[in-house]
Parts: sequence; C-alpha cells; structure tokens
Amino acid sequence: AQKVTQAQTEISVVEKEDVTLDCVYETRDTTYYLFWYKQPPSGELVFLIRRNSFDEQNEISGRYSWNFQKSTSSFNFTITASQVVDSAVYFCALSESASSGTYKYIFGTGTRLKVLA
Amino acid sequence: DSGVTQTPKHLITATGQRVTLRCSPRSGDLSVYWYQQSLDQGLQFLIQYYNGEERAKGNILERFSAQQFPDLHSELNLSSLELGDSALYFCASSVGGRNHNEQFFGPGTRLTVL
Repeated sequence: AQKVTQAQTEISVVEKEDVTLDCVYETRDTTYYLFWYKQPPSGELVFLIRRNSFDEQNEISGRYSWNFQKSTSSFNFTITASQVVDSAVYFCALSESASSGTYKYIFGTGTRLKVLA
Repeated sequence: DSGVTQTPKHLITATGQRVTLRCSPRSGDLSVYWYQQSLDQGLQFLIQYYNGEERAKGNILERFSAQQFPDLHSELNLSSLELGDSALYFCASSVGGRNHNEQFFGPGTRLTVL
C-alpha cells in the first residue's frame, strides 16, 4: 500500500541552526513523484519541490536542500541556517499512478517546525 | 497569493445540511483538486478534475460530489453533513492533468458543522 511517513511530529530549533525533516514513503510503482509543501501559519499550502522517481540528484535552493534516496525510500528536507519565517508545517507527498489508470496523491501527516529567535 | 480563490472563507452550518464550496483556479490552469484537512485525518486528497472531466479520485465520501464547469471553476458539494465533516477544505490548481504537476493551493474554506 502507498504510504508517506513523517515520523517527526514537531521540531523546535533555535534560529540559525540547521534542521532536517524526514520523509519515508512506500510505493510499488516504479514511476512516482515526491513533493514537499509548506503550510505557514496563514494556512495556505505552498509548493516547495517536486522530484520524480528516476532523478536521484539532490537539489539545493538557497537555504533549502533535498536528499532523495531510493535505496531507503526517503526524501528528506534540510533547512540550513533556519529563520523564524521558516516556522510552518511541512508536508511530504507522494503521487503515483493507480492501477485504474488514474492517480493517487498521498500526504504525510506533516512536521511542525518551530524556529525560535 | 497563489492566484487560486476559494469562497466562502468560513462556513458554519448544522448537521444534515448541504453546502457548496467554490473554487476558481489560476488563470490558465486546467486542473482543479480538492483536499480535506482535519485534525484526525490530516490532509486527504478528495478528487481532481481536468478540463471538465474527472481525472482522479481519492477518499471522497459518497455524500460529497464535485464538478468543474466550462469556465474551469469548480464546486464541491457536501450533503447530509455530519460533525466529522468539520474541516478545512482546500482547492488547488495546476496547468496540466498529470500527477507530476505542481499544485497551487487556495486559502481554504473552513467548514464548521454544529
């Protein structure tokens, strides 16, 4: 069965610390997509990154970086030099093709990150 | 601002009632998605429409239905409401209908069923 696990319910760090948010997924598909979304206190989800199952290259975007490892079914997200504005709930999501030919979108339960000044 | 609009922002109703949530996608986007976010269920994908046709179906209850109109706006109809339907309902949109498209989320409609 398809599943996305974000074992860290809540993380608190002090500003400027680095923090890694874990995401582990389960799927039987060979073709799938992984996403990270941010939900700030305002409530609106914001897309951060997409990665397809054939591209294991790590990605860096400013202070954000993502480590995709198919061998461990993980797609972890690291924030370097965290800032108070990074405080939000972060969701990892999996999208794959269902046997019926349609798609499935599965979200993890989210990790609440609190960055303290 | 993602460009996706949802109305109303808040909705309070009673059990057994029926409500309609509305979503307008970003200009140029053909896909609309509906999600439910509640404390106990987390973020659940309900349904996706692409250019007026249903494209994907998630954990949508039979009491719920959706449609996408020719102008691409979408409505989510919730009927025979129960207390457990109280949640934040998000709409998202994307350019294409494939599962790799990045989705742009609206601000959500908070539904409270009393």
